[in-house]
Amino acid sequence: DTEVTQTPKHLVMGMTNKKSLKCEQHMGHRAMYWYKQKAKKPPELMFVYSYEKLSINESVPSRFSPECPNSSLLNLHLHALQPEDSALYLCASSQTSGITDTQYFGPGTRLTVL
Amino acid sequence: GQQVMQIPQYQHVQEGEDFTTYCNSSTTLSNIQWYKQRPGGHPVFLIQLVKSGEVKKQKRLTFQFGEAKKNSSLHITATQTTDVGTYFCAGLPTSGTYKYIFGTGTRLKVLA
Repeated sequence: DTEVTQTPKHLVMGMTNKKSLKCEQHMGHRAMYWYKQKAKKPPELMFVYSYEKLSINESVPSRFSPECPNSSLLNLHLHALQPEDSALYLCASSQTSGITDTQYFGPGTRLTVL
Repeated sequence: GQQVMQIPQYQHVQEGEDFTTYCNSSTTLSNIQWYKQRPGGHPVFLIQLVKSGEVKKQKRLTFQFGEAKKNSSLHITATQTTDVGTYFCAGLPTSGTYKYIFGTGTRLKVLA
């Protein structure tokens, strides 16, 4: 099973809402990633978790809060977002965070902030 | 900052024609990965190149890593409508933050 799942597929939220994005993989991977992708742009790395510990935070605003409850799950908690945060949020996983590891991407959550 | 540019930005080809996208990094790379993203989809890993001058083939796709490890190319022979999508390279710089930098992408349309 080489699948990364993400829920929900679509999310519309107001600027005062609190919501969470969820990501799950059952490949035994120990590195998980959050990316943000705007239309017609490449994915931008937000966070990297390695062995359930946050290893990279790409200076992401605190209104985005990642959480890795266990090695299979990755959450992204959203609070007080801005309309410019509307984008496709992609989760990915890899065996480790080694430089030759393949990243497997999930289908993404398309987020709209009103 | 470190940048990875791809050219062209867009390419429309007739089915059966060849297609090439070029990936150029401002810094030397340890390795480079290529991904394909179909319209409305997510990036899917295609291949990884590690050695200077490396060439790898996957059916109609040929991937090359430059001798100086600062550029790469993807060539598709005899395109098919199923090749439609955006092709991204992602390079890992030899110095700086330990993370892949995605290229700007090349969007391919294939006209039947």
